[in-house]
Amino acid sequence: QSALTQPASVSGSPGQSITISCTGTSNDVGFYNLVSWYQQHPGKAPKVMIYEVTKRPSGVSNRFSGSKSGNTASLTISGLQADDEADYYCCSYALSSTLYVFGTGTKVTVL
Amino acid sequence: EVQLVESGGGLVKPGGSLRLSCAASGFSFTNAWMTWVRQAPGKGLEWVGRIKTETEGGTTDYAAPVKGRFTISRDDSKNTLYLQMNSLKTEDTAVYYCTAPRGAARLSWFDPWGQGTLVTVSS
Repeated sequence: QSALTQPASVSGSPGQSITISCTGTSNDVGFYNLVSWYQQHPGKAPKVMIYEVTKRPSGVSNRFSGSKSGNTASLTISGLQADDEADYYCCSYALSSTLYVFGTGTKVTVL
Repeated sequence: EVQLVESGGGLVKPGGSLRLSCAASGFSFTNAWMTWVRQAPGKGLEWVGRIKTETEGGTTDYAAPVKGRFTISRDDSKNTLYLQMNSLKTEDTAVYYCTAPRGAARLSWFDPWGQGTLVTVSS
């Protein structure tokens, strides 16, 4: 089971919007609406930002939104803020003995 | 407060064994499926395996790279999750996190997460 493909880095200025893609296959992202997104600051544990493609957990800013089209899911961060600078990982449940596959990770830089 | 605290990491030689623990508090551990996720230094996240509740037979599932070498278990009387790691390889070097799968059929997302414990496999 290969990792989901994400861009290595994405950057934007404060206030701008950025989008991170997450490309899988018809056996994971394309098959289930079970894509989640995690934010990870250096030296910290991951934190869920989006689950089931589009849902936001309580306490997560509405500046974070998710979507999916075919085998590709996306995370959009609007009104970029300094604290959004972190690594972001997507994750999908998969039709595989390895039940979950994570993305390769994207480093978001706020310019 | 919901909390997961991992322990047991350290330096071990290739071929050696190590057992990690994860102490849970602030939620119903008995009713929770639990999962281990690891992260090699400077690398991405990797799902290791999960265990269902004792009521559901404590069924376990593992990622291909660790199947047959790692064993996940739980002690509900102690609210503790374990990861027994045998035949360790240098590529098992990582921070190991415990977490709980949530949401639709408990397949959807992972929350909460512990702070992680570092396992280094080196001669």
